[in-house]
Amino acid sequence: DAGVIQSPRHEVTEMGQEVTLRCKLISGHNSLFWYRQTMMRGLELLIYFNNNVPIDDSGMPEDRFSAKMPNASFSTLKIQPSEPRDSAVYFCASSHRDRQETQYFGPGTRLLVL
Amino acid sequence: DAKTTQPPSMDCAEGRAANLPCNHSTISGNEYVYWYRQIHSQGPQYIIHGLKNNETNEMASLIITEDRKSSTLILPHATLRDTAVYYCIVIPSYGKLTFGQGTILTVHP
Repeated sequence: DAGVIQSPRHEVTEMGQEVTLRCKLISGHNSLFWYRQTMMRGLELLIYFNNNVPIDDSGMPEDRFSAKMPNASFSTLKIQPSEPRDSAVYFCASSHRDRQETQYFGPGTRLLVL
Repeated sequence: DAKTTQPPSMDCAEGRAANLPCNHSTISGNEYVYWYRQIHSQGPQYIIHGLKNNETNEMASLIITEDRKSSTLILPHATLRDTAVYYCIVIPSYGKLTFGQGTILTVHP
C-alpha cells in the first residue's frame, strides 16, 4: 500500500488566493483527519470524518476553511481566501473507524501564503 | 483526557537502548497510552499503544507501571534514524489525539 497520499507537497500562494489541499486515504480505512502544524501552536486537529461524514470540525479556524469527502477514499481541505497566518504544514491521516486512535499520516503539504 | 508529562529532550548512543519516560498520573481506567513519533519534515508515525499490560512490536516495547501512572517506551537498539520527537498520548477509545510538546530524542553515533 502506498500509504496516505497528499498533494501538493509544497504550495506557495499570495494572500487572497484560494488554496486546495488533497488527500487520498489508505485503502480500507474509513476515518480521515486533517491536522495543521506550526511552530507556535504545534500539531492541531482541524476536522475529522467517519464514513465520509464530518464528525467534529471544532478545530477549523474560521469560515475560510472548509473540508469535504466527495468519496470514501479522497478528501480536500480548502482555504478561501488564504492569509499569511495560514502558513503551516497540513497533514491528513487515515484510520479504521473502530481504531481511530491508530492513525497513519501522510507526508504533509507545506503551505506558504505571502 | 489525561495530561502527560515528558522530558523535553534526551540523548542516546547509537546501538544502545533508548528509554523514554512519560508520566500520566491522572489516567482513567478506560484510557490507553499511545506513542507516536515525528521525524524531521515527516508526518507523525504510530509506534505502539497499551492499556494495562506491557506491549512489544517490531518497533518498540511499552512498559506500563502497575498503577498505570507512568510508562516507558523502549527502543532496544537505537539507530540514527530514530532521532525524532516522541509523543506520549493518553486517550480513551474513539478519543481525539492531542499532541503535546513531546521528547526530542537525539541518537548520537
